[in-house]
Amino acid sequence: DSGVTQTPKHLITATGQRVTLRCSPRSGDLSVYWYQQSLDQGLQFLIQYYNGEERAKGNILERFSAQQFPDLHSELNLSSLELGDSALYFCASSVAFWGEQYFGPGTRLTVT
Amino acid sequence: AQTVTQSQPEMSVQEAETVTLSCTYDTSESDYYLFWYKQPPSRQMILVIRQEAYKQQNATENRFSVNFQKAAKSFSLKISDSQLGDAAMYFCAYRSSNTGTASKLTFGTGTRLQVTL
Repeated sequence: DSGVTQTPKHLITATGQRVTLRCSPRSGDLSVYWYQQSLDQGLQFLIQYYNGEERAKGNILERFSAQQFPDLHSELNLSSLELGDSALYFCASSVAFWGEQYFGPGTRLTVT
Repeated sequence: AQTVTQSQPEMSVQEAETVTLSCTYDTSESDYYLFWYKQPPSRQMILVIRQEAYKQQNATENRFSVNFQKAAKSFSLKISDSQLGDAAMYFCAYRSSNTGTASKLTFGTGTRLQVTL
């Protein structure tokens, strides 16, 4: 158990819908990262937040957005969902802007 | 941009034997970190071992060791005395040490390791 929690574990929804994935970092960690793992694209970095502020963006679609709240938990919002958005979404956290990243168990999103 | 390449989609090893997984990467940076992550069927990403580029000594963690060849940009993982629990997908990953850039991980496509009796 890495100490990073993600909810829900599984999510099934229809095309065009909007979902929110939640991540709670390890106690004391200030950075949160989101990654997407899909069959087509492999494991890709989406976005990083540090202490509430966006610090880096990767291959994140405009339909996706994220935020980190004052209690340091983070949410990834996916809207206008398409079949190709079906993937495993990981959250990871680290103590500082730099440092080891510890991964949560992931949220498996299925878009039908 | 950095890239990580794992050219072995699948590997197989017999229990108690040794196997080596290959990874090459491309970067123009001189200082960085390299990692091997294990993803078992549970899908959890587990850090196996890390290597800091400025350290010449190869990292070792119990039965897991790496062969880091900086000039060749090669970073292979050796698993000794393979166990059934080692069966998983293994990902090689790169992270820059440049504090001015993102601390994201860049992953390879993975190698699926099967362990047979």
